[in-house]
Amino acid sequence: DTAVSQTPKYLVTQMGNDKSIKCEQNLGHDTMYWYKQDSKKFLKIMFSYNNKELIINETVPNRFSPKSPDKAHLNLHINSLELGDSAVYFCASSQNSVTEGKLFFGSGTQLSVL
Amino acid sequence: GNSVTQMEGPVTLSEEAFLTINCTYTATGYPSLFWYVQYPGEGLQLLLKATKADDKGSNKGFEATYRKETTSFHLEKGSVQVSDSAVYFCALTSGSARQLTFGSGTQLTVLP
Repeated sequence: DTAVSQTPKYLVTQMGNDKSIKCEQNLGHDTMYWYKQDSKKFLKIMFSYNNKELIINETVPNRFSPKSPDKAHLNLHINSLELGDSAVYFCASSQNSVTEGKLFFGSGTQLSVL
Repeated sequence: GNSVTQMEGPVTLSEEAFLTINCTYTATGYPSLFWYVQYPGEGLQLLLKATKADDKGSNKGFEATYRKETTSFHLEKGSVQVSDSAVYFCALTSGSARQLTFGSGTQLTVLP
């Protein structure tokens, strides 16, 4: 059983399109995250939800909108895609506080905007 | 604010060589420190952690010691294997932070 699963694994699309990435975790965790990893492997947090409540919203264009229908799911919708959005997007989850430091990551979604 | 600085890669070693990846940090309060590993095509996995000064985290032959006096958490392994080829991330969390702060990652390639 995959603990944190993301779909799709690869996403190739044209500039200006709208796309969504889905994430589900079956670990019973309360907190979920979206990270963006650029071509140099640098990881930047985008959003975090705790029990469906948004708790971290970093400086991200408002074309990016997270949605958490329940605590096991955190989807990422992106409007009007731009070339600079090309990256690998990782979903992650953790139990309660991040102080424990143990995040469980999905295997990533490689987004290519042409 | 919190920040993590890692040695730049890529690092290329021969099998059975000794590995050190340097990591230093800046943080408010007393941070917890972590090393994550990302194998090709996969998400990150927690490799080891240390939550207070002088603690040593260890896993799979890797070790790192929390050095408060030098604000460092260097990753070491005595004898690397080809299967250790991956990207390694140093990270921390502290105080009321609700997120991990990651370093920029170090690509390690081990040649047979």
